[in-house]
Amino acid sequence: KNEVEQSPQNLTAQEGEFITINCSYSVGISALHWLQQHPGGGIVSLFMLSSGKKKHGRLIATINIQEKHSSLHITASHPRDSAVYICAVRSSNQFYFGTGTSLTVIP
Amino acid sequence: DGGITQSPKYLFRKEGQNVTLSCEQNLNHDAMYWYRQDPGQGLRLIYYSQIVNDFQKGDIAEGYSVSREKKESFPLTVTSAQKNPTAFYLCASSLTGASSTDTQYFGPGTRLTVL
Repeated sequence: KNEVEQSPQNLTAQEGEFITINCSYSVGISALHWLQQHPGGGIVSLFMLSSGKKKHGRLIATINIQEKHSSLHITASHPRDSAVYICAVRSSNQFYFGTGTSLTVIP
Repeated sequence: DGGITQSPKYLFRKEGQNVTLSCEQNLNHDAMYWYRQDPGQGLRLIYYSQIVNDFQKGDIAEGYSVSREKKESFPLTVTSAQKNPTAFYLCASSLTGASSTDTQYFGPGTRLTVL
């Protein structure tokens, strides 16, 4: 069993739609990260959370420590949001990564 | 510009050959990491280093070797002992590697194909 599970695996949305990607984890964590991987392969860190909620532009990330669950929301989605979104958790000195959610936003 | 560079972007190798992937960072980070990414799987840790001249095995170190002679550089050698080396390899760095608030910064990756 993976320490980090993401859903859905694949997601297609129309431009402008509100998008939610979910992440559940099974280990005790000190922080949770949301990463974005574009088709070329490079990865960018979007958020680091240890509690509550963070917002950056059209992106919102929330975490519920008791339920071991986090969500990444994208408001007013745009084709340039098309990417793979990866949830990662830090437990002790190790990072565990989800398999990613592949998002395609259609104009 | 501060960042992490990996070279080459694409690499082809014949079976039985060793190959070295380069990773350089000018962020003055102490910690550096090598991950492997395969389709349908999360990133898996190969090796990491929290300080110069020291490194630790990750989950899938067999068939790989690393060195950390300089703070800026953490090259990964894929040896002929690695049974399934075709994959996308990502290098990352973080400020200390020991802090829970560390963020990892990733390089652009190297796609290795064994022919």
